[in-house]
Amino acid sequence: GDSVTQMEGPVTLSEEAFLTINCTYTATGYPSLFWYVQYPGEGLQLLLKATKADDKGSNKGFEATYRKETTSFHLEKGSVQVSDSAVYFCALSPYNQGGKLIFGQGTELSVKP
Amino acid sequence: DAGVIQSPRHEVTEMGQEVTLRCKPISGHNSLFWYRQTMMRGLELLIYFNNNVPIDDSGMPEDRFSAKMPNASFSTLKIQPSEPRDSAVYFCASTLTGPKYFGPGTRLTVT
Repeated sequence: GDSVTQMEGPVTLSEEAFLTINCTYTATGYPSLFWYVQYPGEGLQLLLKATKADDKGSNKGFEATYRKETTSFHLEKGSVQVSDSAVYFCALSPYNQGGKLIFGQGTELSVKP
Repeated sequence: DAGVIQSPRHEVTEMGQEVTLRCKPISGHNSLFWYRQTMMRGLELLIYFNNNVPIDDSGMPEDRFSAKMPNASFSTLKIQPSEPRDSAVYFCASTLTGPKYFGPGTRLTVT
């Protein structure tokens, strides 16, 4: 079945460091891909998305490119801030399945000043 | 917009008791999803509704779990009887098309 695999956390970085969180997926057809962020004690918020191959999603300095050839959707940010500390979830929505979302296990990011 | 509203935010109950979690989706959204989040299993889709009709309930763990959506503005997730392994954070999400909006979750502890 469809699945998402993320790099394991926790990831600890210093402020202004470069961030990469790897995400790969397995899916039939043409899924849409998402990154969600969960701040402590809160629900998930959509960070960015891409709906077809080679699309780049971006928001708040974060970017991810839909790579069909490598089935990947890695999250990157050039300079992280303490306020970026959260858990990040990669997710896919299978094609034509009514908006169903399949999540990766989440990667905890901790940014130190 | 108030966003997705869930209640209660925290619930502590004893094993064997009935638990009811509530969700009010964003007005105008036509799809509603219930997720469970645990350290061991991450985020799991339990069930989702489209236009108040259950579409996929394959993630519901067992017969102790049931979900209803009597109208477009309200859904419940019921656990009867509850067990300690049901302890988790339960999220509700809604969407019309495009991104899903998640509620703040209900943290359930079954002792």
